[in-house]
Amino acid sequence: GAVVSQHPSWVICKSGTSVKIECRSLDFQATTMFWYRQFPKQSLMLMATSNEGSKATYEQGVEKDKFLINHASLTLSTLTVTSAHPEDSSFYICSARMGTAETQYFGPGTRLLVL
Amino acid sequence: QKEVEQDPGPLSVPEGAIVSLNCTYSNSAFQYFMWYRQYSRKGPELLMYTYSSGNKEDGRFTAQVDKSSKYISLFIRDSQPSDSATYLCAMSLDTGNQFYFGTGTSLTVIP
Repeated sequence: GAVVSQHPSWVICKSGTSVKIECRSLDFQATTMFWYRQFPKQSLMLMATSNEGSKATYEQGVEKDKFLINHASLTLSTLTVTSAHPEDSSFYICSARMGTAETQYFGPGTRLLVL
Repeated sequence: QKEVEQDPGPLSVPEGAIVSLNCTYSNSAFQYFMWYRQYSRKGPELLMYTYSSGNKEDGRFTAQVDKSSKYISLFIRDSQPSDSATYLCAMSLDTGNQFYFGTGTSLTVIP
């Protein structure tokens, strides 16, 4: 149980385009989803927290107009990187939590390369 | 000072060795403590979680929490090459709160 999927697993795009990443909880309802960014050999950096049906809460320094997060249902959250630039190239990972459970379950990650 | 400190390693051990991975933290209000394993280019996988102080064992893995010292450990017995990964500690103040992650320790188990 507690499986989280992400799609796509990797994407290459041109600078200036927008990229949408999907995060789905496959066998549970995720009231809260988190989006992280991870650089090589570094830990996870929390970008934003989203609760179903409400606006995402962004961490300091994360541009909400650049990283659009939508949590339209209890099983799906999307992260859209708008007008992507090479510095946005990174590994993006989502996680999901059931209710107020103490643990988060992570997706497999999406590797984004912006040329 | 970072909320959570973790030695990034790398740590290299022979197969069968006992591995000790550790994290220290500064916020005494943390109550939930987790260990995640992350293989290269994959998302983190939950290994263990504990609430407050004490030990928890699951197969070859044992998690220890010492709140008085603000120190948590993960022990891996009879380490296997398949245990080679990055191990991340994480902790939170309460259910529903954000997680604070360590930087991860890279472990290699040599056959």
